[in-house]
Amino acid sequence: DIVLTQTPRSLSVTPGQPASISCRSSQSLLYTDGTAHLYWYLQKPGQSPKLLIYELSKRFSGVPDRFSGSGSGTDFTLKISRVEAEDVGTYYCMQSIDLPLTFGGGTKVELK
Amino acid sequence: EVQLVQSATEVKEPGGSLKISCQASGFNFTRYWIGWVRQMPGKGLEWMGSIYPGDSRSRYSPSFEGQISVSADKKTTTAFLQWGSLRASDTAIYYCARRLVRGGPADYWGRGTLVIVSS
Repeated sequence: DIVLTQTPRSLSVTPGQPASISCRSSQSLLYTDGTAHLYWYLQKPGQSPKLLIYELSKRFSGVPDRFSGSGSGTDFTLKISRVEAEDVGTYYCMQSIDLPLTFGGGTKVELK
Repeated sequence: EVQLVQSATEVKEPGGSLKISCQASGFNFTRYWIGWVRQMPGKGLEWMGSIYPGDSRSRYSPSFEGQISVSADKKTTTAFLQWGSLRASDTAIYYCARRLVRGGPADYWGRGTLVIVSS
């Protein structure tokens, strides 16, 4: 199975400041066509996960441009340029290049 | 508008059977994989299995194969997750999601069904 390791496990951020979350994969998530099958989700308290970023760096419909994704075949980063109150929750990375689909352990973001 | 509406909270005794549902609307149900994710209390997300309603192909995580089954009804555009014999450790929230498959981004999720297994 592909293991996704997220760091840090928790993050306390001052509103308006940037935040960065890392996701490291045990195998390359690059498909033969160059597509990186790495996704980022935000699960706000008491809600279901919502897709933020797909295929490494593409923002899903309605996602603010303060969210961005980057990375290579095995190392990935989600950045929030200026954290807002509505960004609080747990962020997960997920890979779908191979079965079983796997998720990172999650990074809990809270405000200072 | 894509919507996945999940069934209500269930409280069951250990050893009992259960089938929960996920009704889809706003897209062609037969052309998208629908998958299931478990979230145990205070824990992360785990993929369980997925089904393609168009031809009923299914895929399971080795961690769950043999313990659950996924199915779909094209007439009612509803996907199902079923257990034959529940255990206390099955207590969790279960989410359905569209495109939860190899190569997919799991783009839309249901609100989740809470299953409590307790005597």
